[in-house]
Amino acid sequence: SALTQPRSVSGSPGQSVAISCTGPSSDAGGSDRVAWYQQHPGKAPKFIIYDVTKRPPGVPDRFSGSKSGNTASLTISGLQAEDEADYYCCSFTGTYTFVFGTGTKVTVL
Amino acid sequence: EVQLVESGGGFVQPGGSLRLSCEVSGFNFGTYAMSWVRQAPGKGLEWVSVIGGSGGGIYYGDSVMGRFTISRDNSKNTLYLQMNSLRVEDTAIYYCAKEWYSSSSGGDYFDYWGQGTLVSVSS
Repeated sequence: SALTQPRSVSGSPGQSVAISCTGPSSDAGGSDRVAWYQQHPGKAPKFIIYDVTKRPPGVPDRFSGSKSGNTASLTISGLQAEDEADYYCCSFTGTYTFVFGTGTKVTVL
Repeated sequence: EVQLVESGGGFVQPGGSLRLSCEVSGFNFGTYAMSWVRQAPGKGLEWVSVIGGSGGGIYYGDSVMGRFTISRDNSKNTLYLQMNSLRVEDTAIYYCAKEWYSSSSGGDYFDYWGQGTLVSVSS
């Protein structure tokens, strides 16, 4: 089953927002193999975080990942207008399957 | 520049079949695993299937197992998804995605995505 994310979060430009991703220990909760993807409307997803905390080349450092207990989180610091998008966590499991989160819409007020 | 271009989507009745293709360029195709990921209209992402670089290592999501078949032709830099016994709930945009392996965690991630092809299943 899908990992649980809040349906939506919002913030003003310059503020920080955090998105949680909760699942059983076999998924995001116990795994270091968690990614985050950003998806603008009508566009393909974009890879922005891997291994819970690492950023691929070219991803701004205002995007950061963390994990506490059975919850992984994505924080966007210094929110910008172009950060308005849907965000999905994804866990790579030991049985070579991928489980996505339910998705979170980030609105920049 | 890495490019992935899907094709083959369209309208089909329940029980019908479609074959999707994903032609890639800009990287050594046969070196990387590839996946299909789908997204129903207004819904979230769902992983469908993966195939290893040499054609082995094939896995499917529970919702498509036994109905869909993933394959690849490394000589043509092309990934395929044969979809049989289609259901209304298979209606979605289908994305192909290149996988990247993290040696530090042993995890696979989708570092490049195509723009998707729409499959509509309806009577």
